[in-house]
Amino acid sequence: AQTVTQSQPEMSVQEAETVTLSCTYDTSESDYYLFWYKQPPSRQMILVIRQEAYKQQNATENRFSVNFQKAAKSFSLKISDSQLGDAAMYFCAYRRGGNEKLTFGTGTRLTIIP
Amino acid sequence: DAMVIQNPRYQVTQFGKPVTLSCSQTLNHNVMYWYQQKSSQAPKLLFHYYDKDFNNEADTPDNFQSRRPNTSFCFLDIRSPGLGDAAMYLCATSRATGTGFGQYFGPGTRLTVT
Repeated sequence: AQTVTQSQPEMSVQEAETVTLSCTYDTSESDYYLFWYKQPPSRQMILVIRQEAYKQQNATENRFSVNFQKAAKSFSLKISDSQLGDAAMYFCAYRRGGNEKLTFGTGTRLTIIP
Repeated sequence: DAMVIQNPRYQVTQFGKPVTLSCSQTLNHNVMYWYQQKSSQAPKLLFHYYDKDFNNEADTPDNFQSRRPNTSFCFLDIRSPGLGDAAMYLCATSRATGTGFGQYFGPGTRLTVT
């Protein structure tokens, strides 16, 4: 069974600084997708960024980028120029190709220090 | 804007009194999901529909049922809510399998059981 591990229950970063959230996963599949979701205190889960396993290039979305290390099964999220609105719970998630379900990590609560 | 809508946002019910939560989507996605999320935890998948095909998770209690009368709407029925069922209930949608797109979440319904 696939597992997703987020080893940092909580992180904090100074506003305007850069922070990296860690995620590792375990799978024997070759076709899969990885995601980072953000859940602010208002509780609506928002898709931040996605990565296809077959792509070597790391995904980027504005201030958000990933470091995808396929051999190491690592998928970290880097947030540059942190803003107060980035404060949220961040979940890493895995989806096997051909399967509708997501496997979530336990989440990392990110605090932004003004 | 295309979106996932959940009603009501807050629901209070009495112990043992049946309750129905609703979800609608304008994304025209094939797949609809229901999650239960307790405080500071990852969402837990209860079941999902792929079109009209219902897929129940093995550990979802029989107390939880779902209906999907058409593509746009999906309902979560809790037949006899217990105190342990108090949680946030999230509805999500996605396109059909194999595309690698993430799931799109609604704002959730917070259920209180008194």
